[in-house]
Amino acid sequence: ELKVEQNPLFLSMQEGKNYTIYCNYSTTSDRLYWYRQDPGKSLESLFVLLSNGAVKQEGRLMASLDTKARLSTLHITAAVHDLSATYFCAVVRASGSRLTFGEGTQLTVNP
Amino acid sequence: DGGITQSPKYLFRKEGQNVTLSCEQNLNHDAMYWYRQDPGQGLRLIYYSQIVNDFQKGDIAEGYSVSREKKESFPLTVTSAQKNPTAFSLCASSPPGGDKSSNYGYTFGSGTRLTVV
Repeated sequence: ELKVEQNPLFLSMQEGKNYTIYCNYSTTSDRLYWYRQDPGKSLESLFVLLSNGAVKQEGRLMASLDTKARLSTLHITAAVHDLSATYFCAVVRASGSRLTFGEGTQLTVNP
Repeated sequence: DGGITQSPKYLFRKEGQNVTLSCEQNLNHDAMYWYRQDPGQGLRLIYYSQIVNDFQKGDIAEGYSVSREKKESFPLTVTSAQKNPTAFSLCASSPPGGDKSSNYGYTFGSGTRLTVV
């Protein structure tokens, strides 16, 4: 059974600070996704990471993947209030198609 | 514009009543999925279908049923056996095996919030 664990589950940070969210998964994966969810809304796709060492950046968010360690990170640089949301990582098992999600990290950025 | 349409946005169900959530996509995707999100939790897979007339149970299929008679449609029926009082259900679709070349391989609908009254 594929398990995906995120930490921390709750993160409160000040504007301007940096922080990292971690996503560990338990078995070989084809690819890893990061999503953002605002309260009561659907999921917004942020990144897909396809290979070991992959790094993608969009604005203040940067995601990376280490397939050997089965670990992905989502790094937040100089946080702003607009980044407040819940962030999910999701993994697709090798040769599969279904997404398995982590529990989510609820991020609050305080002014 | 291509996308996924879920309806209704809010649905109230009486105990013992069956209700059906609609999911329609015009992306020509072969695979479709139903996820449930309980308050403060991640998403868990209810059912998925990789091709018309075929579907598989996910991790929390008890109390649910689906059909896949058309490529663009994947309705979810919540039966009286489903005891969860409130949940947010999300429908998604993807090309076969997901789209490895795209950052947006999985497309999600806007969700249906189901409450038992």
